[in-house]
Amino acid sequence: SQQGEEDPQALSIQEGENATMNCSYKTSINNLQWYRQNSGRGLVHLILIRSNEREKHSGRLRVTLDTSKKSSSLLITASRAADTASYFCATPYTGANSKLTFGKGITLSVRP
Amino acid sequence: DAGITQSPRYKITETGRQVTLMCHQTWSHSYMFWYRQDLGHGLRLIYYSAAADITDKGEVPDGYVVSRSKTENFPLTLESATRSQTSVYFCASSGRGGSNTGELFFGEGSRLTVL
Repeated sequence: SQQGEEDPQALSIQEGENATMNCSYKTSINNLQWYRQNSGRGLVHLILIRSNEREKHSGRLRVTLDTSKKSSSLLITASRAADTASYFCATPYTGANSKLTFGKGITLSVRP
Repeated sequence: DAGITQSPRYKITETGRQVTLMCHQTWSHSYMFWYRQDLGHGLRLIYYSAAADITDKGEVPDGYVVSRSKTENFPLTLESATRSQTSVYFCASSGRGGSNTGELFFGEGSRLTVL
């Protein structure tokens, strides 16, 4: 069953603002991944954070992981219209690290 | 071209017909996956494969059949399509699994409509 659950379901911001998206999961994991999906396209991997990491950066992306709260956040700084997409967190299925389960996603709209 | 490709990209079929969705990757990745994406459900895993000739069920396998005779190909067959199988299907591959699960590379999707 699905582990990750994103929050909020939808987010609308102005270009230049920061976007913060959250993901909560149910059972212990050894890594958590974030993906982006542009409309009508496949998912694209953004970043992977391991359970022994608390924070990771990649360009304008900042991901945090709090294993005690079973939650992660994705921060996109200085958002651009091109960041408009759906964002998904993904975690390994319980007891099966080779398979990933995805949340339902967050729809981010960045207004020019 | 290198990458992961799905075909067909769009398919309309009728209830009861057999449909096969193709997936081909050029990276020689060991792991391959089939997901379906539906509004309100997100992505759900149908089947996955850890290597050639090794496949296993995911979350929603009923009504689907897979095979993996070659590392690079992972076709998904709907033996007798039903309207509930109308969805967008995504194939993905990964070079790493187990406790060191790596990133998934997704195809562009196959949009299937069952009338």
